[in-house]
Amino acid sequence: EAGVAQSPRYKIIEKRQSVAFWCNPISGHATLYWYQQILGQGPKLLIQFQNNGVVDDSQLPKDRFSAERLKGVDSTLKIQPAKLEDSAVYLCASSLDGQAPNSPLHFGNGTRLTVT
Amino acid sequence: AQSVTQLGSHVSVSEGALVLLRCNYSSSVPPYLFWYVQYPNQGLQLLLKYTTGATLVKGINGFEAEFKKSETSFHLTKPSAHMSDAAEYFCAVRYNQGGKLIFGQGTELSVKP
Repeated sequence: EAGVAQSPRYKIIEKRQSVAFWCNPISGHATLYWYQQILGQGPKLLIQFQNNGVVDDSQLPKDRFSAERLKGVDSTLKIQPAKLEDSAVYLCASSLDGQAPNSPLHFGNGTRLTVT
Repeated sequence: AQSVTQLGSHVSVSEGALVLLRCNYSSSVPPYLFWYVQYPNQGLQLLLKYTTGATLVKGINGFEAEFKKSETSFHLTKPSAHMSDAAEYFCAVRYNQGGKLIFGQGTELSVKP
């Protein structure tokens, strides 16, 4: 099966600019996640979708980050305006059913964002 | 607060030596436990998972982990390290059904020839 696709792989922007990331999950996976991975740390959940509804966005900085999952398939994550501390790898993941506790996550290769 | 702790941000072993990466969780109720591996410039890949049943879980690439409730641990081991095992390893925990997956800080494994 095709894996989780993300684009772009790398992005360099200046602070206060905006940026968007795109994710296409594995076909048939109901749950989609966006994680932020800062260098030297484990991934931190930003937002979780179940189909096209938000399940958890408690750690999403909503003043600058937004995400949507139209039609319950693809998703985009946007940052506007970016800050230096947003420099990180943004990982998209999907799972068959996020409500099933043993359902593993399948990750994309991530987008490495550098804010200068 | 619910958390997961990985002892040692960096572990270095010689090729052929035992690999031991430590993970402890913070709950009296056994959670759902996972180990992921991340190679440079790639996403995370599932190594193994524990849900219920047998406490010794076998994963891919010769790795295994043992769930010890009395120690609230889920350490990852491999009897003989290979150069290709060099990567970052993450322990992850889900404390309840529908709960989010919480990752540890990661342990970077280096393998010396």
